[in-house]
Amino acid sequence: GEDVEQSLFLSVREGDSSVINCTYTDSSSTYLYWYKQEPGAGLQLLTYIFSNMDMKQDQRLTVLLNKKDKHLSLRIADTQTGDSAIYFCAESLRGYNKLIFGAGTRLAVHP
Amino acid sequence: DVKVTQSSRYLVKRTGEKVFLECVQDMDHENMFWYRQDPGLGLRLIYFSYDVKMKEKGDIPEGYSVSREKKERFSLILESASTNQTSMYLCASRFTAGNTEAFFGQGTRLTVV
Repeated sequence: GEDVEQSLFLSVREGDSSVINCTYTDSSSTYLYWYKQEPGAGLQLLTYIFSNMDMKQDQRLTVLLNKKDKHLSLRIADTQTGDSAIYFCAESLRGYNKLIFGAGTRLAVHP
Repeated sequence: DVKVTQSSRYLVKRTGEKVFLECVQDMDHENMFWYRQDPGLGLRLIYFSYDVKMKEKGDIPEGYSVSREKKERFSLILESASTNQTSMYLCASRFTAGNTEAFFGQGTRLTVV
C-alpha cells in the first residue's frame, strides 16, 4: 500500500543542521521529493532524488536515500530563520501520475 | 514564470451551499490534482485528472466532484458544503509520470459555517 510518514515537528537552533526524516512503504517508488511550504503559500519543490541514487547534494541541502529501509532524509546545513516552514516528503509511484505526500514536518528555527 | 492560479485565497460559505473552487494552469500540463490539507494529516488527494474530461477518484472523494472541460482548468465542486469540509484546498499540475515537478497553487482556505 501507499503510505508516507514523517514526524510532525522539529525545532533547531539557528546555524545548526536540521535533519528531517521520512519513511515510505511502496517499493515501486521511482522518484522521491521534498517540498517546502511557507506560511500562507502553496508548496514549492526543494529537491528530488531518483530511487536508484543514495545521495544528492544541492548547496545547503543533502538528501539521503536508504532504499532497503525505505527511509529518506533531508539535511539542511547552517539552518536559517528563513528555513522555518513545513517540509513535505512525497513519492511518485511507477506508472502513476499522482504524488503521495506525508503529513509534513514543521521546522521551527530559533535564535 | 510557470503558474497555477486558484481563484480565491479565502472563502466563507454556508452549510448546504454549492461551492466551486477554480484552478487554472498555464503550462499545458496533462495532469491536474486537487488536495486538501489539514493539520497533522498532510495533503490528501481528492480527485485528479489526466486529460480533458477524464477524472479519477483520489483517497477522499466523498462529498466532492470535479470538472475538466478545458486542459488548463480544473474545478472542484462541493455539491452541498458541510462544516467538515472546512480546510485548505490546494490545486497542482504536472506533466505525465516520470520525474516531473508538480506545481502548486497558493491554496484556498475554505470555511463552512
